[in-house]
Amino acid sequence: EAGVVQSPRYKIIEKKQPVAFWCNPISGHNTLYWYRQNLGQGPELLIRYENEEAVDDSQLPKDRFSAERLKGVDSTLKIQPAELGDSAVYLCASSPSAGVDTQYFGPGTRLTVL
Amino acid sequence: EDQVTQSPEALRLQEGESSSLNCSYTVSGLRGLFWYRQDPGKGPEFLFTLYSAGEEKEKERLKATLTKKESFLHITAPKPEDSATYLCAVRTTGNQFYFGTGTSLTVIP
Repeated sequence: EAGVVQSPRYKIIEKKQPVAFWCNPISGHNTLYWYRQNLGQGPELLIRYENEEAVDDSQLPKDRFSAERLKGVDSTLKIQPAELGDSAVYLCASSPSAGVDTQYFGPGTRLTVL
Repeated sequence: EDQVTQSPEALRLQEGESSSLNCSYTVSGLRGLFWYRQDPGKGPEFLFTLYSAGEEKEKERLKATLTKKESFLHITAPKPEDSATYLCAVRTTGNQFYFGTGTSLTVIP
C-alpha cells in the first residue's frame, strides 16, 4: 500500500514569492491534515479536512495561507506571499476517517524562504 | 490552556541501557494520547495510541503507559537503530491536536 505522497520534497524561494505544496493521501483515507514543523519543535496543526470540507482551520494564518481539497482526495496548501518566518517543514497526514485516531504522515516538504 | 510537555529534550544511552521518556499533558479533556517516532528528514511514524489511565501498549523494546497526567515511553535494552526523536501528541475531546517538542534519543553502540 502506497503511503502519503508529498511534493516537492524541497523548495527554496525568495520572500514575497508564492509557493504551493501538494499532498496525495493514502487511498480511501477521508481525513487529511496539514501540519507545520519548525526546527526542533513538534508539528503544529494548520488545517484538517473531512472529505472536501475543512472542519478545523483555526490555526491557519488566513491572510497568507490557503488550502483546498477538491473532490476529497488530493490537497494543496498555498502561501502567498511567503515570509522568512514561513521556513519550516510542511507535513501532510491522513487517516481513514474522523473516528480513527491513527495518522499516517508523508515525508514532508522542507521550505526555505530567503 | 492545553499543553503537552516532553522530557528530557535529549537522551543518550549506551546500547542495552534501559530508560524512560516522559510526556506530561494538561488538556481540557483527553480523547487519546499518541506516541510517534521521527527519523531525520522523515515524517512521524505512528507507534501507539492510549485512551485511558492504566492502559499499556507494547511493541518490541517499547512500552507506553498512561496516567491521568502523563505518559511514559519505556525503552528496554535499546539498540542503535532505536535512535530517533520520539514525539508525544494528544487529541482532545474537542478534536484539537497538540504535539510535544519531542525527545531526541541517541543509542551508542
